[in-house]
Amino acid sequence: GESVGLHLPTLSVQEGDNSIINCAYSNSASDYFIWYKQESGKGPQFIIDIRSNMDKRQGQRVTVLLNKTVKHLSLQIAATQPGDSAVYICAENRRGNFNTFYFGSGTKLNVKP
Amino acid sequence: DADVTQTPRNRITKTGKRIMLECSQTKGHDRMYWYRQDPGLGLRLIYYSFDVKDINKGEISDGYSVSRQAQAKFSLSLESAIPNQTALYFCATGQELTDTQYFGPGTRLTVL
Repeated sequence: GESVGLHLPTLSVQEGDNSIINCAYSNSASDYFIWYKQESGKGPQFIIDIRSNMDKRQGQRVTVLLNKTVKHLSLQIAATQPGDSAVYICAENRRGNFNTFYFGSGTKLNVKP
Repeated sequence: DADVTQTPRNRITKTGKRIMLECSQTKGHDRMYWYRQDPGLGLRLIYYSFDVKDINKGEISDGYSVSRQAQAKFSLSLESAIPNQTALYFCATGQELTDTQYFGPGTRLTVL
């Protein structure tokens, strides 16, 4: 899962396996969530999003699951490929003071060939 | 994302210097944001703007200022740079209906 600190949690998987990256969010009022992929030297790229009125959403090879009861979000990547190696960041729109997103520190996914 | 560009991509400067980072977008979005990213930490919001006449402070605005020159341009200034402003800076754009934000490639700023 994600945490704040100098060292990112790392998930190592074999090419072809499925990957599951977890994220705990803090505000039960958050109603919109996004997963981003950040490759080295680049800005975060949108992967998939989900609103709080849903508990699952599927994209191409990716699925996001939302469990509002325990405030948990996960990203599943099917048949992980070397090109999936990156830092994955979850973001929640807390609808708070700044009406914008709060970002986790990310999980580093390392895909072994 | 080529639709959001940032200049410069890298900058090394000295303590006390004034620095401006620029962001341009061709996505036609009204909303623009400036974030900084430090190693091991999540992106933190510095300033944001919902249209040309709207400027709002984010959670870490001290030591920074912004200017929204046009719908497509949003610049970030460090009036007197200090070493703890060394970080990666990202500009992002968004639109109200979808809430999704799209990021530029980032500017790596080093303050000596």
